[in-house]
Amino acid sequence: DTEVTQTPKHLVMGMTNKKSLKCEQHMGHRAMYWYKQKAKKPPELMFVYSYEKLSINESVPSRFSPECPNSSLLNLHLHALQPEDSALYLCASSHVGRKKETQYFGPGTRLLVL
Amino acid sequence: KQEVTQIPAALSVPEGENLVLNCSFTDSAIYNLQWFRQDPGKGLTSLLLIQSSQREQTSGRLNASLDKSSGRSTLYIAASQPGDSATYLCAASYNQGGKLIFGQGTELSVKP
Repeated sequence: DTEVTQTPKHLVMGMTNKKSLKCEQHMGHRAMYWYKQKAKKPPELMFVYSYEKLSINESVPSRFSPECPNSSLLNLHLHALQPEDSALYLCASSHVGRKKETQYFGPGTRLLVL
Repeated sequence: KQEVTQIPAALSVPEGENLVLNCSFTDSAIYNLQWFRQDPGKGLTSLLLIQSSQREQTSGRLNASLDKSSGRSTLYIAASQPGDSATYLCAASYNQGGKLIFGQGTELSVKP
């Protein structure tokens, strides 16, 4: 099973709402990632978790709050977002510490902030 | 600054043609390089990963090469098909921390 699942597929939220994105994998990967992708642009790394600990935060605004409750799950909590945060949010996972660290991506959550 | 560039930004070819997509990177101290495919509105699908000690990798009709000294990687697609139409992204990694630096992608259209 090389699948990364993400829910929901689509999300519309107002600027005062609180919502969460969820990502799950069962490949035994101990590294998990959140990326943001705007239309016609490549993905931009937001956060990396390694062994359930936050290892990289790419200076992401605090209105995005990641959480890794266990080795299979990754959440992204959203609060007080801005319209410019509308994008495709991608989750990925990989093994840690091997040169053949292929990242497996989920299908993404398309977020629209009104 | 570590940067990855892909040329061309878009490419249209007739079905059956062999084609090459280009990727260049500014820092040759690469850990590995990956090629991904992305269909519109979808996630990324990993195609090939080349470790820094390797020169090429093959999977079916796809062949990826890596030349660290010149800072270049190419993705060769043989006998292209309309189903190959997608955006192709290359991404460089410089350590085992997992951060990928992506190129801007090449949007490929294969016409029947």
